[in-house]
Amino acid sequence: EVQVVESGGGLVQPGGSLKLSCAASGFTFSDSGIHWARQASGKGLEWVGHIRSKANNYATAYGASVKGRFTISRDDSKNTAYLQMNSLKTEDTAVYYCSRHLETIDYWGQGTLVTVSS
Amino acid sequence: QTVVTQEPSLTVSPGGTVTLTCASSTGTVTSDYYPNWFQQKPGQALRALIFSTNKIHSWTPARFSGSLLGGKAALTMSGVQPEDEAEYYCLLYYDGAWVFGGGTKLTVL
Repeated sequence: EVQVVESGGGLVQPGGSLKLSCAASGFTFSDSGIHWARQASGKGLEWVGHIRSKANNYATAYGASVKGRFTISRDDSKNTAYLQMNSLKTEDTAVYYCSRHLETIDYWGQGTLVTVSS
Repeated sequence: QTVVTQEPSLTVSPGGTVTLTCASSTGTVTSDYYPNWFQQKPGQALRALIFSTNKIHSWTPARFSGSLLGGKAALTMSGVQPEDEAEYYCLLYYDGAWVFGGGTKLTVL
């Protein structure tokens, strides 16, 4: 069964950092890209960024609002992708989701909540 | 900054047909934008419905279809069921990055 599970969310102060994980199972992780998206309470989805597979040189891309502050990485030996979030702002408060991209963007996780507040 | 626009809300009667659209601030949406459609219900994971404009996943009910319509991507539901009440999001590809639409809240009434 294909699964992606996010973890690492929590409360962080403005200006702080947090690293989220996306653990995958049920498929060949190394062949897949991983997307991150987020959703503030009562708001729509926002694409955060993605990392492609080794075959695609682990290329990354980011949404405009997080570019330069967030970094996506992966460890294929652990079937896990990461979202390193630096210089966090209150407007980064949201549920963060990951998904796989293997031919298509299909399976999404249940998300992990990040709250940026003093 | 690129903006992807969807109808904020739509209402359809059970058994009816409804079309949701997805427009780009950059102009006409084509297959090069690889339109994706997702369904979101409270407490559930995001569910993929359509990819690459009109391709369905193995789990996508046959009543869902995707197309390009009047310069936009479109999601059509024929024979709407009560369980189709949900938020629907499109996702478009822009030269290496992706952008979600603002979402359409579909009410089945």
